[in-house]
Amino acid sequence: DTGVSQDPRHKITKRGQNVTFRCDPISEHNRLYWYRQTLGQGPEFLTYFQNEAQLEKSRLLSDRFSAERPKGSFSTLEIQRTEQGDSAMYLCASSLGVFGPRASTDTQYFGPGTRLTVL
Amino acid sequence: DQQVKQNSPSLSVQEGRISILNCDYTNSMFDYFLWYKKYPAEGPTFLISISSIKDKNEDGRFTVFLNKSAKHLSLHIVPSQPGDSAVYFCAAIDNTNAGKSTFGDGTTLTVKP
Repeated sequence: DTGVSQDPRHKITKRGQNVTFRCDPISEHNRLYWYRQTLGQGPEFLTYFQNEAQLEKSRLLSDRFSAERPKGSFSTLEIQRTEQGDSAMYLCASSLGVFGPRASTDTQYFGPGTRLTVL
Repeated sequence: DQQVKQNSPSLSVQEGRISILNCDYTNSMFDYFLWYKKYPAEGPTFLISISSIKDKNEDGRFTVFLNKSAKHLSLHIVPSQPGDSAVYFCAAIDNTNAGKSTFGDGTTLTVKP
């Protein structure tokens, strides 16, 4: 399977604990994105990487959240001191990062997500 | 301020008929649009896209139409099949800020046999 993979698929934790999620993108993709999705809403952008560089972070990404992509391949998303409001599906996506002169062709391919439940 | 809106939370159609899913956007900087399909317990799957230099893109049973002046796009599925039942998300990208896709809240399509 050469798609985007995420681990774990499900995580249940107690409030105040730290959690870390992993994402393995499609191998030739330069860009990697993290999104959060809550019930009844579309995915909300959190952050993205171009190779190992983190290029943008959403204001949704509080100081308790940190993401890394140390070698430009897999990425981790860590949430410290989890709160009940952090309960959501965390989605990872990757793309080639190829753009035309007037339009983006940067189609993002998503992993299955990690569902976090904070008790 | 939601920049991408899918005003119909749900849509039900009969098998073999046309399904039309709508999406409106407010940011005139968006120049690339995508539709994703999502089954329960899975991530969104890319379906079809269109750039702002086109007004139509077709791929098999799926056609996306873009009306830039109205800031509106639609996805047509013809003929609809029961396997098309899923949540459909519209997403938009600003080429000057191309790292981020902005998604609508989705429309749940149910195709009845």
